[in-house]
Amino acid sequence: GAGVSQSPSNKVTEKGKDVELRCDPISGHTALYWYRQSLGQGLEFLIYFQGNSAPDKSGLPSDRFSAERTGGSVSTLTIQRTQQEDSAVYLCASSSPGLERNYRYNEQFFGPGTRLTVL
Amino acid sequence: QKEVEQNSGPLSVPEGAIASLNCTYSDRGSQSFFWYRQYSGKSPELIMFIYSNGDKEDGRFTAQLNKASQYVSLLIRDSQPSDSATYLCAVRNTGGFKTIFGAGTRLFVKA
Repeated sequence: GAGVSQSPSNKVTEKGKDVELRCDPISGHTALYWYRQSLGQGLEFLIYFQGNSAPDKSGLPSDRFSAERTGGSVSTLTIQRTQQEDSAVYLCASSSPGLERNYRYNEQFFGPGTRLTVL
Repeated sequence: QKEVEQNSGPLSVPEGAIASLNCTYSDRGSQSFFWYRQYSGKSPELIMFIYSNGDKEDGRFTAQLNKASQYVSLLIRDSQPSDSATYLCAVRNTGGFKTIFGAGTRLFVKA
């Protein structure tokens, strides 16, 4: 079956421009995560959506970052007035907590990422 | 203090040896612990999950959890060159599904 898809795969933009990154989760997955990975670094948590609950936005680095998830499926991460330090790979993941064993298991399936370069 | 800490490495082991990867976490109430493998230029993929103290074995992989010490490890037996990757420790915190990743340990298995 189809995995998590992200678009675009690469995005080059000029400093100060706005960008939108899209994530299509696995069908039926209720949880969706956004992470940022800078070169040679680990994954930095940005935001998490679970069903109809209010998203956990605690990882967003500034108010230039926002995300929404429409209809419990597709999500868009928007970065306004991009800065050079925003350059990174943005990864989206989805999971299906409803299938958890004892509510502890939560395998996240990652998309291929969007490589953002801010000039 | 970072929430999830790993030695960045690189850790280099000869083929056939045991690779030992370590991770510590700061949230004492954390419930679930994951090891993801990430090949260069690729996305992470889950290889091990553990939530009870002790050892959990799956093929050549063993995850070890010690909640009292806030420590989780991954052992890879009979290491192969194809195991060369970055291994990310991830911890799911209490009360939700937010998952915090460590910075990862780069492993090189020399043929």
